[in-house]
Amino acid sequence: GAVVSQHPSRVICKSGTSVKIECRSLDFQATTMFWYRQFPKQSLMLMATSNEGSKATYEQGVEKDKFLINHASLTLSTLTVTSAHPEDSSFYICTGQNQETQYFGPGTRLLVL
Amino acid sequence: GENVEQHPSTLSVQEGDSAVIKCTYSDSASNYFPWYKQELGKGPQLIIDIRSNVGEKKDQRIAVTLNKTAKHFSLHITETQPEDSAVYFCAASLHNNDYKLSFGAGTTVTVRA
Repeated sequence: GAVVSQHPSRVICKSGTSVKIECRSLDFQATTMFWYRQFPKQSLMLMATSNEGSKATYEQGVEKDKFLINHASLTLSTLTVTSAHPEDSSFYICTGQNQETQYFGPGTRLLVL
Repeated sequence: GENVEQHPSTLSVQEGDSAVIKCTYSDSASNYFPWYKQELGKGPQLIIDIRSNVGEKKDQRIAVTLNKTAKHFSLHITETQPEDSAVYFCAASLHNNDYKLSFGAGTTVTVRA
């Protein structure tokens, strides 16, 4: 199956700092990647669709200036949480689109103090 | 947009028994229905999927059925084992240009040894 990696797996930062999360498709090229966030014991909430070579499409209610997405290559998308605050603490998960199937990365646990 | 409802929210079964999770969707144009298994602290893993031109699909102990008329689909796990304990999510998508997935709320399955 298709493999997606994320880095880092866990990050703790101070309020006001920015955090970058990387999402890589290891054995396939992903023209489209998706970014989700998941709060404890809740479902997956789509944040944005990341398309290689173009601007990301954000879901309603997601601040594009706070969650910066860059998809510079067919195997890498990055999510930067700018000026993070405690309420941004969550589990962030990306997917790589391979044909009609989305394959999830292992997730990044963000804790903002 | 698409709305996916999933039941039950929790399910406890004795090892060796079967587990059934049901989902309904609202958009009759949806044509792709994956199921994901998420273990604690990890990203969801695709376990099986079905397309709208198929009524049933089976992979060893896991099977999925789809009723397009009623707009519902179900996951069946037979001969459950303790390692089947996890959160299961159903999803639906319309395979147009964006392949966005709409997720159910999840079902926490506990297999009692």
